[in-house]
Amino acid sequence: GAGVSQSPSNKVTEKGKDVELRCDPISGHTALYWYRQSLGQGLEFLIYFQGNSAPDKSGLPSDRFSAERTGGSVSTLTIQRTQQEDSAVYLCASRLKGLAGRTDTQYFGPGTRLTVL
Amino acid sequence: AQSVAQPEDQVNVAEGNPLTVKCTYSVSGNPYLFWYVQYPNRGLQFLLKYITGDNLVKGSYGFEAEFNKSQTSFHLKKPSALVSDSALYFCAATDGRRGSTLGRLYFGRGTQLTVWP
Repeated sequence: GAGVSQSPSNKVTEKGKDVELRCDPISGHTALYWYRQSLGQGLEFLIYFQGNSAPDKSGLPSDRFSAERTGGSVSTLTIQRTQQEDSAVYLCASRLKGLAGRTDTQYFGPGTRLTVL
Repeated sequence: AQSVAQPEDQVNVAEGNPLTVKCTYSVSGNPYLFWYVQYPNRGLQFLLKYITGDNLVKGSYGFEAEFNKSQTSFHLKKPSALVSDSALYFCAATDGRRGSTLGRLYFGRGTQLTVWP
């Protein structure tokens, strides 16, 4: 079946511009995560969505970062006033179950490579 | 603080030889442990996980991992390496405590495995 998809695959932007990254989770998966992969920091958790509950934003590095998930499916990660340190690969993952599904596997998308010039 | 360590940045083995990629963890509660593999310009692919029960877990592509609670380790192994196994391997863990961000993964820094012919 279809896996997690992300778009765009690559994004080059100028410092100070806003960017939007999109994630389409696996159909039926109720949990969605965003992570960031960068050379200096490895893989970092950013934000977690579960159904209609308020998202866990504890990993967002600054208030320039925000995310939403519409209709319990597609998610958009927005970075405002991008900085060079935002350059990284942004990975989205989805998981089948909700509150009882801590043990379920997260399946990752191919990522969006963001380059801020 | 929750953390996962992969003490080796690189592991090099000859094709046909056994391989081990090491992982240790420091996570509260009963952790759930995962291994993912990443090929160039690709997202993370799930290999295997330990939840409970048998300490030896078998996964995709002939990989297995052994959970050792006393040593807080979860080393990835394969009896006979293939050139196609060359990739970046990540160990990850979830926080087993109630009330923590459900399913959020803590990642190691990754180990680059190179298998030469």
